[in-house]
Amino acid sequence: SVLTQPPSVSGAPGQRVTITCTGTSSTLGPGYDVHWYQQLPGTAPKLLIYGNANRASGVPDRFSGSKSDTSASLAITGLQPEDEADYYCQSYDTALSGSVFGGGTKLTVL
Amino acid sequence: QVQLQQWGAGLLKPSETLSLTCAVYGRSFDNSYWGWIRQLPGKGLEWIGEIHHTGVTLYNPSLRSRVIVSVDAAKNHLSLTLTSVTAADTAMYYCATAKGAPVEPASFDTWGQGTLVSVSS
Repeated sequence: SVLTQPPSVSGAPGQRVTITCTGTSSTLGPGYDVHWYQQLPGTAPKLLIYGNANRASGVPDRFSGSKSDTSASLAITGLQPEDEADYYCQSYDTALSGSVFGGGTKLTVL
Repeated sequence: QVQLQQWGAGLLKPSETLSLTCAVYGRSFDNSYWGWIRQLPGKGLEWIGEIHHTGVTLYNPSLRSRVIVSVDAAKNHLSLTLTSVTAADTAMYYCATAKGAPVEPASFDTWGQGTLVSVSS
């Protein structure tokens, strides 16, 4: 994937974890936002963060996003068992003229 | 509340054409845009393409020669056509929608339930 995410992260309940999404000048460059999705097992993805740092409707403030240059991060504080899921970043690839997703990160709550 | 309900043939033979439909409830095609995303077994998400309310379509270059995304505004339906399928097209296919004027990348705030399509001889 042109957007690189760590395959897995883990944390204990109550802890804070960060998932990174690293792109290139053609994928996470200036002017293009990043969005984050959560996919619980066996379900469709759900929009978590849009426009780099805006929480989608109903998303708790434990989730936050940021973007700097050609990388972005999703932070989850106060980790809860129900946060165990796959997380994907999404941005735009100017070389492809279309959306691209990161490879996904599996979050395990210990 | 916006809801997407999708359907289509789940088992295809190589060289056949994949056709999926997505019914849209609670959102007009005006001032919104629509896309298809797939997920290969055990893998991540792959953007297939999208269509804007203006009729503009964007496609993944790797699929562009075989894919058509269209809308029937009268029926509030979104469709996906993928020709000449192979086993590599076996995946869960999702329709999704983003509200407002088209901004790339689209932030898909509502997704269909997914349709599993298997290609096998």
